[in-house]
Amino acid sequence: ELKVEQNPLFLSMQEGKNYTIYCNYSTTSDRLYWYRQDPGKSLESLFVLLSNGAVKQEGRLMASLDTKARLSTLHITAAVHDLSATYFCAVVYAGNNRKLIWGLGTSLAVNP
Amino acid sequence: SAVISQKPSRDICQRGTSLTIQCQVDSQVTMMFWYRQQPGQSLTLIATANQGSEATYESGFVIDKFPISRPNLTFSTLTVSNMSPEDSSIYLCSVVIQVNTEAFFGQGTRLTVV
Repeated sequence: ELKVEQNPLFLSMQEGKNYTIYCNYSTTSDRLYWYRQDPGKSLESLFVLLSNGAVKQEGRLMASLDTKARLSTLHITAAVHDLSATYFCAVVYAGNNRKLIWGLGTSLAVNP
Repeated sequence: SAVISQKPSRDICQRGTSLTIQCQVDSQVTMMFWYRQQPGQSLTLIATANQGSEATYESGFVIDKFPISRPNLTFSTLTVSNMSPEDSSIYLCSVVIQVNTEAFFGQGTRLTVV
């Protein structure tokens, strides 16, 4: 059974600081997604990671994937308040319906 | 990407009644899913909506409680039947346009059962 673990689950950081969110998964998968959710809102796709060593960057966020270690990271550089949200990773289950298995989410608060 | 219209956006319902949530997409999609999300928690997959056939339900969810229809490639409904306060949650429609691409989400339906 595919399981996805995210850590930390809660993160409070100061503006201007750097930090990394980790996403581990238990069995082989061929793609991983990062999503953002603002309070009371739906989910917004951030990154799609398809292969080992994949790295994608958008603004102050950078995501990477190590399929051998079954690990993805979401790195935040010089955080700003607008990045405050909950971040989810999701891994594709390699069964017939290709459903997503979700982490518990990391609630990020960036403080002035 | 896809534009997803999910209705209603919120509702307050009496226990014992049923609510049908609609999900309309502006283009044909290969896969449609229904999720439940409790406030502050992760997503729980209820079922995969299959076009023209019975939905595929996840463990803990049954068709009698959560009947799902998907008559075509752009539309699906989820009904929450015989509601109880434990059904109070956010229900999300999700679509995948092509296999192995990212999922997009509707705005969600916030359901409160009193």
